[in-house]
Amino acid sequence: GAGVSQSPSNKVTEKGKDVELRCDPISGHTALYWYRQSLGQGLEFLIYFQGNSAPDKSGLPSDRFSAERTGGSVSTLTIQRTQQEDSAVYLCASSFIWVGTSGIRSDEQYFGPGTRLTVT
Amino acid sequence: GENVEQHPSTLSVQEGDSAVIKCTYSDSASNYFPWYKQELGKGPQLIIDIRSNVGEKKDQRIAVTLNKTAKHFSLHITETQPEDSAVYFCAATTLFPLGTDKLIFGTGTRLQVFP
Repeated sequence: GAGVSQSPSNKVTEKGKDVELRCDPISGHTALYWYRQSLGQGLEFLIYFQGNSAPDKSGLPSDRFSAERTGGSVSTLTIQRTQQEDSAVYLCASSFIWVGTSGIRSDEQYFGPGTRLTVT
Repeated sequence: GENVEQHPSTLSVQEGDSAVIKCTYSDSASNYFPWYKQELGKGPQLIIDIRSNVGEKKDQRIAVTLNKTAKHFSLHITETQPEDSAVYFCAATTLFPLGTDKLIFGTGTRLQVFP
């Protein structure tokens, strides 16, 4: 079936502009994650959604960053007043959490191809 | 919070040789350890994972070992092939419902396999 998709694949923006990055998770996946990959910081967690709520926002680097998820599916990561240090690849991942006989379990995280953001 | 260290940062091997990448973690609550392969311009792809209730897992040419006491885990690739060339990341997390599954990644190992 279809994997995680992200759009746009590349985004070039001027410093100070706002950008929106979109993630379409695998159908039926209840959990959604945003990560950022940059040369200086490696792969770092940003935010986690379970359904439409975000119980863990601990990785968002500043209040210029926000994210939402609607209908338990698509998620949008918004960066306001972009800075050059925001330049990175933004990755989205999704996974399925289910309730089994041994309790609640979560599945592997599947990553999308990422959005490469360049702030000039 | 969790911290994951990964070594080596680069690894070059001859085709057919074995490659080993090692990671250590700091949080004893971590109970899930996936390994991802990332090719240029693509997102990370899960290649193997291990949960804290087992010590070793194997899938064809790939194996992962976990030592909970020492808090380290390793990726072993045997009979390497040129298509194994990529960047490999280890990660650690505490799975839901005890945690939020957020992955803490190592810094990556660039593996080059020469024909």
